[in-house]
Amino acid sequence: ETGVTQSPTHLIKTRGQQVTLRCSSQSGHNTVSWYQQALGQGPQFIFQYYREEENGRGNFPPRFSGLQFPNYSSELNVNALELDDSALYLCASSDLTGNEQYFGPGTRLTVT
Amino acid sequence: EDQVTQSPEALRLQEGESSSLNCSYTVSGLRGLFWYRQDPGKGPEFLFTLYSAGEEKEKERLKATLTKKESFLHITAPKPEDSATYLCAVQETHKLVFGAGTILRVKS
Repeated sequence: ETGVTQSPTHLIKTRGQQVTLRCSSQSGHNTVSWYQQALGQGPQFIFQYYREEENGRGNFPPRFSGLQFPNYSSELNVNALELDDSALYLCASSDLTGNEQYFGPGTRLTVT
Repeated sequence: EDQVTQSPEALRLQEGESSSLNCSYTVSGLRGLFWYRQDPGKGPEFLFTLYSAGEEKEKERLKATLTKKESFLHITAPKPEDSATYLCAVQETHKLVFGAGTILRVKS
């Protein structure tokens, strides 16, 4: 059984740039959720994808967007990066019930 | 909106000194309460999901319990390798709402 993987591990970008983060879901899971975790805080929900459609969104601006592919992998895109976007970005996969959500190792994004 | 509060913010224990972490929540209808362990710079590691008051689950030195207003994570005879941040979350339709976590340090 393959776990949740994310790439890249670390990323440094400049304010105003755009970034794409990638996630491969755990084998057998068709739902992917993205979270942002600032230092010292719990993860905050960005959005969820199921069957290639957005299935819920948290309180994040439209410059945060995503995709899900037929193989259930997913991308998180962030445009016009701001300093406050610096965080650990986490991907979690599950079935649609969400009864067990497994997280990937995360991507550490630093915006300078 | 659902809210999750964890206490204490940080806890220091001696090896073998048992204790409990608290997670209190307000939710319109509990679908599930999750416990995760997170090591620095890593993704959260799934520990337990609890669904109804009175339910208990165990894994090695950890035992999670659930009431209608709170959950406890009991750590029995902890070891230094149990040092981590422990996160609690409630399931709200399609998302998890997390608390800020409890940082646990176990000294040998």
